[in-house]
Amino acid sequence: AQSVTQLGSHVSVSEGALVLLRCNYSSSVPPYLFWYVQYPNQGLQLLLKYTSAATLVKGINGFEAEFKKSETSFHLTKPSAHMSDAAEYFCAVKVSDKLIFGTGTRLQVFP
Amino acid sequence: DTEVTQTPKHLVMGMTNKKSLKCEQHMGHRAMYWYKQKAKKPPELMFVYSYEKLSINESVPSRFSPECPNSSLLNLHLHALQPEDSALYLCASSTPHGGADTEAFFGQGTRLTVV
Repeated sequence: AQSVTQLGSHVSVSEGALVLLRCNYSSSVPPYLFWYVQYPNQGLQLLLKYTSAATLVKGINGFEAEFKKSETSFHLTKPSAHMSDAAEYFCAVKVSDKLIFGTGTRLQVFP
Repeated sequence: DTEVTQTPKHLVMGMTNKKSLKCEQHMGHRAMYWYKQKAKKPPELMFVYSYEKLSINESVPSRFSPECPNSSLLNLHLHALQPEDSALYLCASSTPHGGADTEAFFGQGTRLTVV
């Protein structure tokens, strides 16, 4: 069955530092992959998606992710963290009509 | 309009009450979803409607009853819930099945507390 694994339930960075959130997928066919962000007591907002059109995907708020088939990875990066980036981040894979989420990574940003 | 609207935002109900959660979207999406999210956990899929027909039920207890009256509306009827059902309930919509425009759009959720 298709799934995603997020390594690291918590990531802490200083403001202005590189953000790297890891996601690996398991799929026998090219997957549809997504990164969502969730702020406290809110719904999920789509950051970016991979649908096989391009391996480097740019999203909102300066985030981007690179699809690497050889590593079965879809890591999320941002060159310079901002305090407002503090939130929960979920990697997800779409299987038919099911959106399956990873366990999430909480990003903390320190001044 | 890329908005999914959920009402109410907060709901407190007793274990003998009957209540309903509502979800509305006007993006022309023909797939709609209910997810349950407990604190510090990822969303868990409950139900999927595709073209107004229930296509997936993830073995959800019968005290949760979904309804899709038309392509824009999705309801979740609640009856005889337990305190452990307290959670954030999220509604989402998307185009059905696969394809490039396959992302799901989420509402802000209903925070449900069962007392």
